Amino acid sequence: DAGVIQSPRHEVTEMGQEVTLRCKPISGHNSLFWYRQTMMRGLELLIYFNNNVPIDDSGMPEDRFSAKMPNASFSTLKIQPSEPRDSAVYFCASRTDRDRVDNEQFFGPGTRLTVL
Amino acid sequence: AQSVTQPDIHITVSEGASLELRCNYSYGATPYLFWYVQSPGQGLQLLLKYFSGDTLVQGIKGFEAEFKRSQSSFNLRKPSVHWSDAAEYFCAVGGTRSGGYQKVTFGTGTKLQVIP
Repeated sequence: DAGVIQSPRHEVTEMGQEVTLRCKPISGHNSLFWYRQTMMRGLELLIYFNNNVPIDDSGMPEDRFSAKMPNASFSTLKIQPSEPRDSAVYFCASRTDRDRVDNEQFFGPGTRLTVL
Repeated sequence: AQSVTQPDIHITVSEGASLELRCNYSYGATPYLFWYVQSPGQGLQLLLKYFSGDTLVQGIKGFEAEFKRSQSSFNLRKPSVHWSDAAEYFCAVGGTRSGGYQKVTFGTGTKLQVIP
């Protein structure tokens, strides 16, 4: 298996532009997580999907952020409009089985977003 | 609410020396505990986990961690560090039901530098 796939790996954009980050989870995994990592705040959970349904989006910072999971093999995280403070590394992770918290989360390589 | 504290932001050790990374957690019952490693430009990889049983847990790459309930700690250890261990290490705790599922909370990380 190729692991969790994220694209693009790097994104540089200007303030006010729309940004879309993409994630393909590991086949057969039914849970998907989006995280944001910054020096100041560390690793923060933004949103969690289970069986393509958003379960917990309490970490989504504001309405400029939205996430979708149209099917089991694809998810997007969109920022519109983007702001310089959104600059961070965004990780996608996937896992099997909703209630087994001891199950390992498998992380993608991340997307490094820079908003100028 | 559950939380994790990694008191050391940055640690430097000599190659071949022993290593201990500290992790303290806050949780009302027996937690699920994890250590992840993040190499530069990569996503997080699970080193080891604890959720019950023997309090000394063995992981990959020669790492181990010991769960001490009385101290609310889950410190990571390695008897002899290799240059390839230079990375950032994250402790995480899980177990609180939030929004209908069990959430994992990550610490802020400890960056390990290995000198020859």
